[in-house]
Amino acid sequence: GAVVSQHPSWVICKSGTSVKIECRSLDFQATTMFWYRQFPKQSLMLMATSNEGSKATYEQGVEKDKFLINHASLTLSTLTVTSAHPEDSSFYICSAPSTGITNTEAFFGQGTRLTVV
Amino acid sequence: LAKTTQPISMDSYEGQEVNITCSHNNIATNDYITWYQQFPSQGPRFIIQGYKTKVTNEVASLFIPADRKSSTLSLPRVSLSDTAVYYCLALTGFQKLVFGTGTRLLVSP
Repeated sequence: GAVVSQHPSWVICKSGTSVKIECRSLDFQATTMFWYRQFPKQSLMLMATSNEGSKATYEQGVEKDKFLINHASLTLSTLTVTSAHPEDSSFYICSAPSTGITNTEAFFGQGTRLTVV
Repeated sequence: LAKTTQPISMDSYEGQEVNITCSHNNIATNDYITWYQQFPSQGPRFIIQGYKTKVTNEVASLFIPADRKSSTLSLPRVSLSDTAVYYCLALTGFQKLVFGTGTRLLVSP
């Protein structure tokens, strides 16, 4: 099946710094990608929809200036957590949907564990 | 995007069959029922998708009654490695995936 690769798998950063997470579709093109955040023992929370060549669409309550999303090519979307604080520590996951009209399969990256100290 | 309801947790033993039921009373005509599996510290993995009746693949079976208001994911002869969270979604292709609480399955020896 299609592969979505996320990098880094984990990162530790100091409070106040920014962290960039990359999400790549390795063997297919993704005009749309999704970014999720997941806290321990909780479900995935959709943060935003990344659109190639245009602005991202953010879910209600997600600060677009804090979570910068760039989708500059058909295979790469990036999420930058700006001025990170300990409460931003979480598991961040990206995904890209299948291109089939009736296919609801989405391909997920392996996730990025962010720890802000 | 239809709201789905599933048990928060289930326990089983190795070798048993596990059936996880999901309710989706307001499922739309074009919606497909899709199940994902997530292990700790990993992204979710697609398991199976169906529209009606029964679908089977190498991992699981999916049973969907005629009214499509519920579905059952069946895992045959589970092993310890099937311990994971299982998410049920009802959606149309190209939609963003919005996950519910999922079912935390614990398989014991």
